[in-house]
Amino acid sequence: GQNIDQPTEMTATEGAIVQINCTYQTSGFNGLFWYQQHAGEAPTFLSYNVLDGLEEKGRFSSFLSRSKGYSYLLLKELQMKDSASYLCAVRDRWQAGTALIFGKGTTLSVSS
Amino acid sequence: EAGVTQFPSHSVIEKGQTVTLRCDPISGHDNLYWYRRVMGKEIKFLLHFVKESKQDESGMPNNRFLAERTGGTYSTLKVQPAELEDSGVYFCASSNRGDEQFFGPGTRLTVL
Repeated sequence: GQNIDQPTEMTATEGAIVQINCTYQTSGFNGLFWYQQHAGEAPTFLSYNVLDGLEEKGRFSSFLSRSKGYSYLLLKELQMKDSASYLCAVRDRWQAGTALIFGKGTTLSVSS
Repeated sequence: EAGVTQFPSHSVIEKGQTVTLRCDPISGHDNLYWYRRVMGKEIKFLLHFVKESKQDESGMPNNRFLAERTGGTYSTLKVQPAELEDSGVYFCASSNRGDEQFFGPGTRLTVL
């Protein structure tokens, strides 16, 4: 079956660095996505990895290891506004437009 | 550029009633997706349109759910008759070439 695991909750303080892990077991693989979702709002795209390695985008970075079925999202210089749910999602087929398979999300709370 | 919009934002109905949710994708996006998140669970795929055609409806839970996308623009998702287990947040997403999916804010459906 398809399975994506990520921690349910994490806490951190302003200015710190936090790493949110995601492991996946899917029948195929064609990319891993990270989304940020504030309560009551739309999930917004953060990053996309399809090859092994680190993708950096400002304060956010995402890493992928396909052989290990593992990814992490790294958030640096945390701000209060980073308190949100972070969703890991995998696309399991090469067919264009394939839907995403989501994990349950990690709720990050940033305190001052 | 306007994002994905959904209507209504909230809907409260009684078991056995009918509800129709609407999604307006980003203009020009051929791919339109419906997802659902029930309480405590992950976001799950329902179906995928390419223009007006149903590309993949493998996630539709049963025949009480009917999705349409007449003219390949906006889409509707009708639940008839609604059951208690249909409660959740229904998300719509759209994409251009099938890469990054842009999500709407969701419709929170409560069936009493």
